[in-house]
Amino acid sequence: GAVVSQHPSRVICKSGTSVKIECRSLDFQATTMFWYRQFPKQSLMLMATSNEGSKATYEQGVEKDKFLINHASLTLSTLTVTSAHPEDSSFYICSAPSGTSGTNEQFFGPGTRLTVL
Amino acid sequence: KQEVTQIPAALSVPEGENLVLNCSFTDSAIYNLQWFRQDPGKGLTSLLLIQSSQREQTSGRLNASLDKSSGRSTLYIAASQPGDSATYLCAAYPGTYKYIFGTGTRLKVLA
Repeated sequence: GAVVSQHPSRVICKSGTSVKIECRSLDFQATTMFWYRQFPKQSLMLMATSNEGSKATYEQGVEKDKFLINHASLTLSTLTVTSAHPEDSSFYICSAPSGTSGTNEQFFGPGTRLTVL
Repeated sequence: KQEVTQIPAALSVPEGENLVLNCSFTDSAIYNLQWFRQDPGKGLTSLLLIQSSQREQTSGRLNASLDKSSGRSTLYIAASQPGDSATYLCAAYPGTYKYIFGTGTRLKVLA
């Protein structure tokens, strides 16, 4: 199957700093990527849809000025958590559909564990 | 609004048992349904994807079925092993951009 990578896998930062998380599709191109957030023992909640060449689409309740998304190329989307606070600590996962299968099957990255002190 | 529910929320079984995980969705107008496995602190691994025109998919000891009319999907795991211990998530894709995830079933297979 298609491979999606994320970097870093784990990050610890001080409150008030900004953190950038990268999501890459390694063996396919993705005009669309998705960013999810997962709290402990809960399911995934879609935060935003990253669109190559245009603005991201944010889900209701997600602050676009806090979670900056840039889809720089057909294989890279970045999520920047600006002025991070402890409540932003979570597991962030990206996904991308591989259009080659014709089924819109989603492939997920390994996730990034963010801890804000 | 599509809602996806998984029952049970947690399950503990002895090794070797066959088991069924359930996934219910409220809107039958889905494009496909996908089952994932998530190990603690890890990302999601795709297990099976069932397109709306299909009734089931099989991969090794796993079999997933889809009944759109009743809004149900099941994941059958045969001869469970301790290595199957993980959280299992189902997700419905309505044909727009957004996958709707279920609440997950935490499975523990005891040796």
